[in-house]
Amino acid sequence: AQSVTQLDSQVPVFEEAPVELRCNYSSSVSVYLFWYVQYPNQGLQLLLKYLSGSTLVKGINGFEAEFNKSQTSFHLRKPSVHISDTAEYFCAVSDTGAGNMLTFGGGTRLMVKP
Amino acid sequence: NAGVTQTPKFQVLKTGQSMTLQCAQDMNHEYMSWYRQDPGMGLRLIHYSVGAGITDQGEVPNGYNVSRSTTEDFPLRLLSAAPSQTSVYFCASRSSGANVLTFGAGSRLTVL
Repeated sequence: AQSVTQLDSQVPVFEEAPVELRCNYSSSVSVYLFWYVQYPNQGLQLLLKYLSGSTLVKGINGFEAEFNKSQTSFHLRKPSVHISDTAEYFCAVSDTGAGNMLTFGGGTRLMVKP
Repeated sequence: NAGVTQTPKFQVLKTGQSMTLQCAQDMNHEYMSWYRQDPGMGLRLIHYSVGAGITDQGEVPNGYNVSRSTTEDFPLRLLSAAPSQTSVYFCASRSSGANVLTFGAGSRLTVL
């Protein structure tokens, strides 16, 4: 079984500032890692994913994340945020087997202020 | 391409009432699932299906039933609603060889 911890429930940041949203996971097997974004009153959409290969993964809207196996982390970063990035962000993990059900973290609400 | 369609978007129930949340996808995805979203708890898996006629329990299945008679549809039934089932429910699907879920827009349920 896997588990995901998102260390910050809310992250306030000013527009054009950099941001990092933290995610740590626990698993006894190899994993796939994901970041999903949920804009207000909408469903979740994929931001980026790590399946294998390069540990630095680039996603949509200028976001990127780095897989760190030794620290079991998959932190999400953006060098300069916009008001439109205000949303809830979910880190998720699945095993690499055929079932690969997703386990989600508790979410981090990013609040970008003008 | 409609993707994953959930109905209704909003529903208010009284304790003990029953209802069905509908989920339909038009992408011929084998895998479908239901999650509930509660503040600070992320999304938790209720039930899932890997194909027509096959369903299984997720992390929080109590109080919910599902069936999968067709590839397209995966309804979630609440037989006797309880206030603890007040939540936002998401249906999601993917093809069997994929790793990324496609989510519906959600159904907000309030049980009084």
